[in-house]
Amino acid sequence: NAGVTQTPKFQVLKTGQSMTLQCAQDMNHEYMSWYRQDPGMGLRLIHYSVGAGITDQGEVPNGYNVSRSTTEDFPLRLLSAAPSQTSVYFCASRGDRGQAKNIQYFGAGTRLSVL
Amino acid sequence: GESVGLHLPTLSVQEGDNSIINCAYSNSASDYFIWYKQESGKGPQFIIDIRSNMDKRQGQRVTVLLNKTVKHLSLQIAATQPGDSAVYFCADLSGGSYIPTFGRGTSLIVHP
Repeated sequence: NAGVTQTPKFQVLKTGQSMTLQCAQDMNHEYMSWYRQDPGMGLRLIHYSVGAGITDQGEVPNGYNVSRSTTEDFPLRLLSAAPSQTSVYFCASRGDRGQAKNIQYFGAGTRLSVL
Repeated sequence: GESVGLHLPTLSVQEGDNSIINCAYSNSASDYFIWYKQESGKGPQFIIDIRSNMDKRQGQRVTVLLNKTVKHLSLQIAATQPGDSAVYFCADLSGGSYIPTFGRGTSLIVHP
């Protein structure tokens, strides 16, 4: 059971470039989300999805797009990267019933640098 | 709005000592909290949770204390080991949205 898998682990972009951060989970979780982690800022929610075909904005959505065509995958797209998007990005999923709804399972993260 | 914060950004302890990591929250209606541990190069991982109908909850070598009067919770780690070195986050899941609000994190450094 792989859990939440993120690719790539590291990425360097130039300002204005686009890229997609991949996230896949094999736990059949309906809920998935993307966070960014910056020094001293904790984890901030970018976008989330409560199921295939449904996405919503979190606390810091600007500059990012998401889609959810399948239960397993939740890619995060940067259309035109900016230095302010230099961060570590985490994808997470959680269960859908009872206590499982409270616990997030995180991927190992993607460390992104925008020059 | 809600805020969840930690008192100290870094805590250094000697191996074998007990560690106490603190967290304050501002919303008096908050009723459910989770502690996560994030090791270097990894994503956060669930440690323990507590609901507001409890003052204390114990796990394996960890204890969480909740003081609703002063809106404060703490994570206590007994006999701290080098493997406990990590960043610890408290998260508030109150309100029924199941979307956690994370604190900024405390880095625990364990010296052998």
